Order: sequence, then structure tokens, then C-alpha cells
Amino acid sequence: GQNIDQPTEMTATEGAIVQINCTYQTSGFNGLFWYQQHAGEAPTFLSYNVLDGLEEKGRFSSFLSRSKGYSYLLLKELQMKDSASYLCAVKKTNDYKLSFGAGTTVTVRA
Amino acid sequence: DSGVTQTPKHLITATGQRVTLRCSPRSGDLSVYWYQQSLDQGLQFLIQYYNGEERAKGNILERFSAQQFPDLHSELNLSSLELGDSALYFCASSAQDRGTYNEQFFGPGTRLTVL
Repeated sequence: GQNIDQPTEMTATEGAIVQINCTYQTSGFNGLFWYQQHAGEAPTFLSYNVLDGLEEKGRFSSFLSRSKGYSYLLLKELQMKDSASYLCAVKKTNDYKLSFGAGTTVTVRA
Repeated sequence: DSGVTQTPKHLITATGQRVTLRCSPRSGDLSVYWYQQSLDQGLQFLIQYYNGEERAKGNILERFSAQQFPDLHSELNLSSLELGDSALYFCASSAQDRGTYNEQFFGPGTRLTVL
């Protein structure tokens, strides 16, 4: 199986930048997803990386290094509504499911 | 709104009972996935169906079973319920069975409370 590690909690101030790291160990890597989940709600898709490099989507960016088994999600210009859990998930070649990390709870303070 | 629907939204039952959770995927999606999320835990993959057939199994207990019907909706059956089964159960759907990009869209979840 995959070992997917991400920090449990992070706190940042409104307007600041936060970087959430995710490391994984897997064979047959075929993509990494980031999802946002507000408490008690469904996860919603944020980003997908399968090739090395940075993908930018508005205030959110995601980076992948396959050789290092490493990804990060960068949240810029933090808003109070960004307080949520951020889930890193890995997909393997010819596998049907996503394997999720335990999630990082981000708290944005005024 | 992801387009995935789940019913019921909340379910409260007693130990030893059996419940059925229902999921309708997004229009056109053939794959359905079930996940369990206990308090303070990540999403645990349970099982996946593709066009009516079971395709992958995760950490699903023998007391749990699922199926996908010809109209592509899916049901997750939980029996002999225990207190530890209390959790959020999510259904997700995706368009493709395999492929490089297989984004999963999640339903709103069913919160199961076993008393």
C-alpha cells in the first residue's frame, strides 16, 4: 500500500500564505490529488498533478516531485473560508481507488 | 453541488441492526466508490463498482456489502452494527474506470450514528 504523510494541523493568519506538504511512498504512481474538506461536508477537488512541476489555479497551487515522492499545496492570500481539512490522495496505475492521507487541518485566524 | 446524491443524510440506529445507504452517481459516471470517515480519521476506501461489477475492495468488513444496480445507483449495506461503525459514509463517482485522470466527485455523505 501507500504511505501518505501530511502534517496534522497548521495555523496561519488571514492574508498570509501556507504550504501543506505531502510525502508518499508507492509503486506505479499515477497521479496525486488535493481535496478540500470542510467539517462534516464532502471533499471537493482542488488540484491534480501527474507530471513534475507546479500547477497554479487562482490562489491555490500544487507542486509535485515524483523522484522525491513529494507534493505540496500552496494557499495564498488566506481567507477565513479556507479553514478546512486538506487531503492529499495518491492514485496508482491500474488501480481504481484513491488512497488518502489523514488530512491537514488548516485554521485561519483573523 | 457535485451531482452525486446520497440518502439518507443522517441515520441513527442501535447496535445489532442493519442499514442501507444509497448513492446515485453523477449523470454519465459508471464508477462508484464508497468511503468511510470516522472521527478524526482520513477517508478509508471500502469498495468500488464499475458498471455493475465489483472492481476493487479495500478495508471493508465482512458485515458490510454493496452492489451497483443497472441504473448505476449503488447501495451499501451495513449489518450487525457496532458502536465503532459510527462514521460519515461517502459515495463518490467518476467517469472512467481507468485512465490517468480520474477525478472523483463526492456526495454529501450519510452520517451514521450507532447507539
